[in-house]
Amino acid sequence: DAKTTQPPSMDCAEGRAANLPCNHSTISGNEYVYWYRQIHSQGPQYIIHGLKNNETNEMASLIITEDRKSSTLILPHATLRDTAVYYCIVRSLYYGGSQGNLIFGKGTKLSVKP
Amino acid sequence: NAGVTQTPKFQVLKTGQSMTLQCAQDMNHNSMYWYRQDPGMGLRLIYYSASEGTTDKGEVPNGYNVSRLNKREFSLRLESAAPSQTSVYFCASIRNNQETQYFGPGTRLLVL
Repeated sequence: DAKTTQPPSMDCAEGRAANLPCNHSTISGNEYVYWYRQIHSQGPQYIIHGLKNNETNEMASLIITEDRKSSTLILPHATLRDTAVYYCIVRSLYYGGSQGNLIFGKGTKLSVKP
Repeated sequence: NAGVTQTPKFQVLKTGQSMTLQCAQDMNHNSMYWYRQDPGMGLRLIYYSASEGTTDKGEVPNGYNVSRLNKREFSLRLESAAPSQTSVYFCASIRNNQETQYFGPGTRLLVL
């Protein structure tokens, strides 16, 4: 089972920031928080990941709470092309076995509206 | 650099027919994965290959077999297709667990 909880859907106005929450209250010390998105049944696309510090790249920012039990993905200026299902996943980075496998939940369907 | 490629893109089968879904990556990645995605659901892991020569079951392996033919290629076989296997199948690869998974475009399979 997925170790994360996300709202099933969210709306965002074009040009505004989209803030997607994720709860991962059972996250362990060796697990990272990953975000992927899937646009209209294409293959999932990696967005960003982090351990405990906030992270930013050209696509998004990731804010992780100090207790690491929740996080927020921020798309600073959402466009219509950001309409997609966003998956929050916790994942171990240890080598070997199945610990590194991605376990997808149902994600959040983000609709960016004009 | 094509990334992860999958063939075919679409396939229609009759119940009981067999077929093999092909996946290849040109990124020299060590691990490869097969997922299925049913409507409105997240991806579920069928099988994975942590390295060339090894394969392991994922969450939903029943009705499938896999072959890690070489480092580049990882195939998924349905020996006797069932309507419950109607789904979209995604292949993915990763260099090692410290890096991110890259996904292919998917194969849409309909079993009648």
